[in-house]
Amino acid sequence: QKEVEQNSGPLSVPEGAIASLNCTYSDRGSQSFFWYRQYSGKSPELIMFIYSNGDKEDGRFTAQLNKASQYVSLLIRDSQPSDSATYLCAVISRGGSYIPTFGRGTSLIVHP
Amino acid sequence: EAGVVQSPRYKIIEKKQPVAFWCNPISGHNTLYWYLQNLGQGPELLIRYENEEAVDDSQLPKDRFSAERLKGVDSTLKIQPAELGDSAVYLCASSYTGGSGELFFGEGSRLTVL
Repeated sequence: QKEVEQNSGPLSVPEGAIASLNCTYSDRGSQSFFWYRQYSGKSPELIMFIYSNGDKEDGRFTAQLNKASQYVSLLIRDSQPSDSATYLCAVISRGGSYIPTFGRGTSLIVHP
Repeated sequence: EAGVVQSPRYKIIEKKQPVAFWCNPISGHNTLYWYLQNLGQGPELLIRYENEEAVDDSQLPKDRFSAERLKGVDSTLKIQPAELGDSAVYLCASSYTGGSGELFFGEGSRLTVL
């Protein structure tokens, strides 16, 4: 079982809708969670991080963390075609030398 | 502020040939990572440096891969000899400290082995 699991998608949503991206992780001792966005042919860039249970909002993006259920999600409100990209979930586990472990990413397509 | 710089951006070689990738991290970032990314997959760690010390290289195939970070700044990743399965994007990233999780990636070096 991979440490960080994501549905590869693609997830297709209409412009203006809410896109919901999910990620589960296997190490219950994980402590830091990150969302990276990767446009086709480009490198990943950090868009959100969350350390505590609950929600964290930044503009149109909301990260949600539920440590009991071992999942973290990213909501994108008012989705725009420019949000079309692959979203990578990364997790730092206490037992993993504090190195971010990435999921395979979920491809998001926002159509006009 | 300059970002992470990698070169070359693209490299095409025949199998069994050597290849080297270079990375210059963001100034002041002590931690440097080399990740490998295959198509449709997330980045996978090859090696992490804290200053000039390799602190996690358990995923680096040491029979053919080597890396160095002299003086704790620039880093070079080498493959010798390259195999067909090494075709991938090699990403360099840096962070201010280890364990940060807030990584800054370079544009990557895309390797094609024929």
